[in-house]
Amino acid sequence: NAGVTQTPKFQVLKTGQSMTLQCAQDMNHEYMSWYRQDPGMGLRLIHYSVGAGITDQGEVPNGYNVSRSTTEDFPLRLLSAAPSQTSVYFCASSYSASGRANEQFFGPGTRLTVL
Amino acid sequence: SQQGEEDPQALSIQEGENATMNCSYKTSINNLQWYRQNSGRGLVHLILIRSNEREKHSGRLRVTLDTSKKSSSLLITASRAADTASYFCATAPSGTYKYIFGTGTRLKVLA
Repeated sequence: NAGVTQTPKFQVLKTGQSMTLQCAQDMNHEYMSWYRQDPGMGLRLIHYSVGAGITDQGEVPNGYNVSRSTTEDFPLRLLSAAPSQTSVYFCASSYSASGRANEQFFGPGTRLTVL
Repeated sequence: SQQGEEDPQALSIQEGENATMNCSYKTSINNLQWYRQNSGRGLVHLILIRSNEREKHSGRLRVTLDTSKKSSSLLITASRAADTASYFCATAPSGTYKYIFGTGTRLKVLA
């Protein structure tokens, strides 16, 4: 199993550009999530999904969109990039059981710089 | 604001010593999890303790949970240089999937 994969590893954008960060998992996990991590900080939840067709907002959703058309994929779209979105982005997945948060498996991250 | 807050923010110890880090949270939870992160890489799950458990062991790791105080501690015994990393606690309010991570404890183990 490849686990959780993310592409690209690095990306530089100009202010106002849009892009999609890709995330895929091959563990048949229902739950998937996106976090951002700023220097010296913990992770903050952007959006999450408990299954195909179901998404919800996390702590910092503004400026980001997600969709979940398949169990495997959970892309994160930046609509109009801003310097404040410079960060490292992590995707994670876990099996979902009766509304209980469980162990998450993380991807290697995407380092995004917005100029 | 962050639900999980770890302390200390940074900890430096000699190889072979024990390392203890603490986490506090604010709401009722189903479980609390600890993760390790090496040098900006993805997080790795270490241990999960459920709200009806008070203590859990995994190898050199010992986790305690006090739901009355809304706090948890992670003890790493006989530390090694390879334990150098940042450690985060994570919780989600009961009945939700909205994980909240603390700001982490940076552990440095000196050889």
